[in-house]
Amino acid sequence: DTEVTQTPKHLVMGMTNKKSLKCEQHMGHRAMYWYKQKAKKPPELMFVYSYEKLSINESVPSRFSPECPNSSLLNLHLHALQPEDSALYLCASSQEGREGIGELFFGEGSRLTVL
Amino acid sequence: AQSVTQLDSQVPVFEEAPVELRCNYSSSVSVYLFWYVQYPNQGLQLLLKYLSGSTLVKGINGFEAEFNKSQTSFHLRKPSVHISDTAEYFCAVGSSNTGKLIFGQGTTLQVKP
Repeated sequence: DTEVTQTPKHLVMGMTNKKSLKCEQHMGHRAMYWYKQKAKKPPELMFVYSYEKLSINESVPSRFSPECPNSSLLNLHLHALQPEDSALYLCASSQEGREGIGELFFGEGSRLTVL
Repeated sequence: AQSVTQLDSQVPVFEEAPVELRCNYSSSVSVYLFWYVQYPNQGLQLLLKYLSGSTLVKGINGFEAEFNKSQTSFHLRKPSVHISDTAEYFCAVGSSNTGKLIFGQGTTLQVKP
């Protein structure tokens, strides 16, 4: 069983809609991440929160807005998306504050389709 | 700058045969090395990691990998694969300097009966 839970598993939205993806972990990890993954490609880092503060934004368009309400929760607010934003969005967490030095625990992802 | 190359995009193999998935990296500093597996319609899961110490690393599901510093490689091996090993496998390299993690492009392992 994954210890990082993402909801919803599937989301279909129009380009004018506003929706949110949610992620929750109860492992006490200090860092949480959002990745975007296209089919047959590796995950691409979008945002990193460390100790509930945004530490990395990989030049993501402002139509994606992250939020970390507390150390266990991570949201990704979506607004005015484009069809090319359709992808699998993965949340991950880690004990270490940086993605490259320890194990990442991934959720199962939210598959987003933008019409 | 760091980079990761997975030399095979697809590896077909028959059940119970051995398999090797190849990964080469480049980095000017000490690195951490990882293999992640992604089963269909799921997130990624860590198979094994090399942080320091013994160059032969054993992971879950019978996989192992060997860190070869001189050849800058971290190939993944399993002596006998099962149908359930069919998945996408990602090699990744991390740096203690930058804290960044770089993923390879992935290798699709297709195990045939």
